Amino acid sequence: VQLVQSGSEVKKPGASVKVSCEASGYTFITYYIYWLRQAPGQGLEWMGMINPSGGTTAYAQKFQGRVTMTRDTSTNTVYMALTSLTSDDTAVYYCARGDCSTSTCYSDSWGQGTLVTVSS
Amino acid sequence: SYVLTQPPSVSVAPGQTARVTCGGNNIGSRSVHWYQQKPGQAPVLVVYEDSDRPSGIPARFSGSNSGNTATLTITRVEAGDEADYYCQVWDRDSEVFGTGTKVTVL
Repeated sequence: VQLVQSGSEVKKPGASVKVSCEASGYTFITYYIYWLRQAPGQGLEWMGMINPSGGTTAYAQKFQGRVTMTRDTSTNTVYMALTSLTSDDTAVYYCARGDCSTSTCYSDSWGQGTLVTVSS
Repeated sequence: SYVLTQPPSVSVAPGQTARVTCGGNNIGSRSVHWYQQKPGQAPVLVVYEDSDRPSGIPARFSGSNSGNTATLTITRVEAGDEADYYCQVWDRDSEVFGTGTKVTVL
């Protein structure tokens, strides 16, 4: 399993960013992809998920209205777009493969991370 | 939302045993997962569903979960185990993470 993310981004406040995550080594449509982020010196924060099979999404309430997750099954790639950026959005953004059993889910493989810096 | 509490830091001498706790209301009724994160790297799953290990994770890493506390135990600690460790549960269709514990090898 390998998840390869796009490179670092520097954005101005109010702008948008789109991060990609290319999956390989498994059947793309059989696992959800989660997006998480980690602000400098802080813990992990789950942003939402996408089902690559049908494209359905679920977002954490905190990001509702600002985040959009999409996928391209022809390239096994998932995208996360975040709008109206502020300095609080400066973080490393990770994609991760979600694995679930009957009552729980977790991230069993992670991308290398994409640093998004928001600065004027 | 569900809250998971971890101690900020744990220190341990090489060869000894480190125990990282994760507190939550009746956490024993949930499945707990643990991640290791070294500086500048992505997290790595080290224990899932309370006590199972992914392939490639040494048997020195184990987990338990009962009552209001889940515990990650690292036996025969090595310098390479120095990292941040996060617990996680699945709650209301989302991942919830603990605050993280920095394990320092003396």
